[in-house]
Amino acid sequence: QVQLVQSGAEVKKPGASMKVSCKASGYTFTSYYIHWVRQAPGQGLEWMGIINPSGGSTSYAQKFQGRVTMTRDTSTSSVYMDLSSLRSEDTAVYYCARGHYYDSSVYSPPDAFDIWGQGTMVTVSS
Amino acid sequence: EIVLTQSPGTLSLSPGERATLSCRASPSVSSSYLGWYQQKPGQAPRLLIYGASSRATGIPDRFSGSGSGTDFTLTISRLEPEDFAVYYCQQYGTSYTFGQGTKLEIK
Repeated sequence: QVQLVQSGAEVKKPGASMKVSCKASGYTFTSYYIHWVRQAPGQGLEWMGIINPSGGSTSYAQKFQGRVTMTRDTSTSSVYMDLSSLRSEDTAVYYCARGHYYDSSVYSPPDAFDIWGQGTMVTVSS
Repeated sequence: EIVLTQSPGTLSLSPGERATLSCRASPSVSSSYLGWYQQKPGQAPRLLIYGASSRATGIPDRFSGSGSGTDFTLTISRLEPEDFAVYYCQQYGTSYTFGQGTKLEIK
């Protein structure tokens, strides 16, 4: 079945970096954009950015510009999200989610996020 | 940035009742690129509605969405025990933003 499986929980020190992975299965990996969304404890959902697994192009929310890097590995159908210079406010559950369809020959309109990973809890604490 | 404001913050109802959740956008959402998600404790969000009014795969028909421009509504016609959760609206027409959520709790 179509699914996104994320890496396990992490504990990081302030100032360190984190890297979360998201492995896709059950569909053509390069045909759908992937988003990253985070949720601080007891809070709402916050969009972080998007990656096109086909060509690797990215777009990040302004809040995370300069601190976040999203990459992909087509050989393993995985996307990665790196966040640097961690602070306590980055403590959150990080989700990957599938977005809209991509086809280089036709325009595909934006779409809601239909498949979500299970989430990865990242705790930033000294 | 498009700001989405959901109301009420908390809605207390009983099973069998009708739930009406609101999502107001400022400025307006283009082309009805508005979705609704359900999230239960410890779980990832689940897509319910996309395009303001289309149900996602496998979503029961007691869930319906409506609206356009700046005002959108999620209606649950008859609440089932499993419907008590937090609901988020999201716009995806101009970048991506989420509302702050509405908690639907058992009265």
